[in-house]
Amino acid sequence: DGGITQSPKYLFRKEGQNVTLSCEQNLNHDAMYWYRQDPGQGLRLIYYSQIVNDFQKGDIAEGYSVSREKKESFPLTVTSAQKNPTAFYLCASAFPGQDRQQYFGPGTRLTVT
Amino acid sequence: AQKITQTQPGMFVQEKEAVTLDCTYDTSDQSYGLFWYKQPSSGEMIFLIYQGSYDEQNATEGRYSLNFQKARKSANLVISASQLGDSAMYFCAMRGDNTGNQFYFGTGTSLTVIP
Repeated sequence: DGGITQSPKYLFRKEGQNVTLSCEQNLNHDAMYWYRQDPGQGLRLIYYSQIVNDFQKGDIAEGYSVSREKKESFPLTVTSAQKNPTAFYLCASAFPGQDRQQYFGPGTRLTVT
Repeated sequence: AQKITQTQPGMFVQEKEAVTLDCTYDTSDQSYGLFWYKQPSSGEMIFLIYQGSYDEQNATEGRYSLNFQKARKSANLVISASQLGDSAMYFCAMRGDNTGNQFYFGTGTSLTVIP
C-alpha cells in the first residue's frame, strides 16, 4: 500500500539534545512538507521541498533543519536551538498542481523535558 | 499573499442534523484549489473534499459538500446527517498556481456532535 510513514509515533528527549524525525513516502510525490501543530492550534509550515536536494523555509524554520537526499525521504532535525520543541509534527507529500491534495503521515508527538 | 480564515473555533451539532463550517480565503492567484481535511483526536489528517476555482458545480463527496461562492471568496463545508464519528477538527486549505506548491491552512474548527 502506498502512503507516508513517520516514526516513531511518540518521542521523548532531554532538553539540549538534537532529535531527528523520520518521514518516508512511497507515493512518488515530488513535494514534501513538515508542519508543526501545537495543542488546539492549526498547522504551521516548517520546511518544504519541491525536488531532491532542494528545500525552502516555511513560516517557523528557526531551530529546525531538513535534508532531501532521496525523493522518498525528508527527515526533520529538531535542534537544541528550537526553544519550544514539544509539539505534534506532521509530514506530508503531494504531486505538483493546485488540484492535487496533500497526503499526511500519522504524525510524531515529540516531548522535550 | 494567501490567507485562509476560519472564524468558528468550535461548533456543536445534534446527531443527524446538518452543519456548515465556514471558510473564507484571500488570494491573488487566478487558479487555485480549495481543500477540506478532518483531524480526529488521533491526529491523522484525512482528506475530505476538493474544489477547483474554475469548477462551476459545487463539489460533493458522500455526506460532504462544499458551498463554493467565488465572488465572496468562501468555501464552506457542509456535513449532512452528522454522526458521532464526525466529531473532530476540520481544516480548510488552499493551494494556488503561483504559490510554489505551498498549501495554506486555516486555524481549524472543532466540531462536536451531540447524541
